[in-house]
Amino acid sequence: KNEVEQSPQNLTAQEGEFITINCSYSVGISALHWLQQHPGGGIVSLFMLSSGKKKHGRLIATINIQEKHSSLHITASHPRDSAVYICAVLEGGGADGLTFGKGTHLIIQP
Amino acid sequence: DAGITQSPRHKVTETGTPVTLRCHQTENHRYMYWYRQDPGHGLRLIHYSYGVKDTDKGEVSDGYSVSRSKTEDFLLTLESATSSQTSVYFCAISVEQGAKEQYFGPGTRLTVT
Repeated sequence: KNEVEQSPQNLTAQEGEFITINCSYSVGISALHWLQQHPGGGIVSLFMLSSGKKKHGRLIATINIQEKHSSLHITASHPRDSAVYICAVLEGGGADGLTFGKGTHLIIQP
Repeated sequence: DAGITQSPRHKVTETGTPVTLRCHQTENHRYMYWYRQDPGHGLRLIHYSYGVKDTDKGEVSDGYSVSRSKTEDFLLTLESATSSQTSVYFCAISVEQGAKEQYFGPGTRLTVT
């Protein structure tokens, strides 16, 4: 069973700061997902990665398959970025769902 | 947004009663999943389906059963609800297995008293 660890668990930062959230996993994967969960509870997929780097607006996600590590970066952070960010991994080619980290609770203060 | 709905959105029930949660999709995606989310545990897979009448167990399947008689509907049943099943339940869909995005429903908050 893959062990997915996220750090930090909680992060409070000021508006405009560069944010980094880390995710490491124990077993080789076929893909890694970054998800965002707002206080209202809905979960939105931000990125799906199997190698390299992806960018969407102010969000950047990277993955190093050899080191079993991924990072999510937020540039020019804004209070609306406040949410729980969840890393999840998919092993092999199986249909059997994702294994999730416990999430990073991010608060951006104005 | 992917067309996924869950019903009910909130439910309070008593220990020992049966409960059925419904996930409905309009995307015609083959794969459907039920997860539960609990403080300190994150999201965990309960059951998943890879087609009509094709289902399998996930990490925390004890006490739960599922059925999928139509592509669009995936039902999660708690045969006899227990307080440990108090949780937020999320349904998710995916167009195919492997490295494809999963789209999540809005969640159902279930309280078992």
